[in-house]
Amino acid sequence: QKEVEQNSGPLSVPEGAIASLNCTYSDRGSQSFFWYRQYSGKSPELIMFIYSNGDKEDGRFTAQLNKASQYVSLLIRDSQPSDSATYLCAVNDPQGAQKLVFGQGTRLTINP
Amino acid sequence: ETGVTQTPRHLVMGMTNKKSLKCEQHLGHNAMYWYKQSAKKPLELMFVYNFKEQTENNSVPSRFSPECPNSSHLFLHLHTLQPEDSALYLCASSPLQGGNEKLFFGSGTQLSVL
Repeated sequence: QKEVEQNSGPLSVPEGAIASLNCTYSDRGSQSFFWYRQYSGKSPELIMFIYSNGDKEDGRFTAQLNKASQYVSLLIRDSQPSDSATYLCAVNDPQGAQKLVFGQGTRLTINP
Repeated sequence: ETGVTQTPRHLVMGMTNKKSLKCEQHLGHNAMYWYKQSAKKPLELMFVYNFKEQTENNSVPSRFSPECPNSSHLFLHLHTLQPEDSALYLCASSPLQGGNEKLFFGSGTQLSVL
């Protein structure tokens, strides 16, 4: 059973601080990794993807991948109240080209 | 209309009812998906259609019956559902190439089975 694990939270971070979200995955064959943001009552929205070990930065967001440790993280710098949402980690299922396996999500709250 | 549109937004049905969920995408994609999001459980893939052909059925019970008449429309027909089927049902679409990077979700149908 392929699994993606996330701490469900809630994770509470003061405004302006760095929010750090973590994810581990079970299938070493996974090659692509995604972070989605889901506001309450809304649909998931892709914010970052990463394929190679190391860091990938996009604005205030940085995705980090360590395949040896089977670990993916998302850092949000200068956190804003509008970043308050549930963040879903997803990894590709090597058995199906269009299959993504999602984690349960981490609920993030940014406190003004 | 833009993006991925789902109707209805909310649906309440009894266990003996038959209902259908509708999804339409205006992105020119050729792959469409049904996902299920239950409370306190991960988002779970149900079905995948490529060029209106089903390519993935993730062991979904037969009381869920998908239909894809063309690359822009996707339906999920529901009959004799159970209360545990209450969930948010999300439709998504993507291009076939590099699809996982361009997976767009609709707003979902919140289904309650009484």
